Amino acid sequence: GAVVSQHPSRVICKSGTSVKIECRSLDFQATTMFWYRQFPKQSLMLMATSNEGSKATYEQGVEKDKFLINHASLTLSTLTVTSAHPEDSSFYICSAREGQAGGYTFGSGTRLTVV
Amino acid sequence: AQSVTQPDIHITVSEGASLELRCNYSYGATPYLFWYVQSPGQGLQLLLKYFSGDTLVQGIKGFEAEFKRSQSSFNLRKPSVHWSDAAEYFCAGYNNNDMRFGAGTRLTVKP
Repeated sequence: GAVVSQHPSRVICKSGTSVKIECRSLDFQATTMFWYRQFPKQSLMLMATSNEGSKATYEQGVEKDKFLINHASLTLSTLTVTSAHPEDSSFYICSAREGQAGGYTFGSGTRLTVV
Repeated sequence: AQSVTQPDIHITVSEGASLELRCNYSYGATPYLFWYVQSPGQGLQLLLKYFSGDTLVQGIKGFEAEFKRSQSSFNLRKPSVHWSDAAEYFCAGYNNNDMRFGAGTRLTVKP
């Protein structure tokens, strides 16, 4: 079945540094990937929709300059948290869909802790 | 390994008919359980969640889900489906920093 690999699974970084999270579709091409953020015991919040070869579409309230999304190929999308602060600590997860008829596949998520 | 399974990839129901979407989980301990809906071109919207307590959970848009520990299930139901319910539905489980999603069930609503 379709597999989405998300790395790293856990990362701890210092305040003010940047962190890159990768979302890779291993055996299919994904023209669209979604990036989500989840706070403890709360629902997922869609951050942005990543489209291959074009700019990401950000949800209202999500800072484009802070959460940089790049979808340079049909198998890779990256989310970079720039100048991270402790309030950015969260669980980030991506998903990808294979074509219009395929099911959605989610990455395993990334636990970001900013100290 | 922890997992969430949605056995049905695609379901078609007639408008006004009842709906049940299946979800089974495999966790060492009872996870938090969620149902999400995703309309075409949009992200996930939380329908309902179960943490503990009453095993019948009411959500938005007229949906409900019942947690059955003996069956490791958390099936989503709606008594009467509307055409606007056509979407992709995801079941998810969360436990100890581990979030798992089912593959999704696509719901088609016939007029």
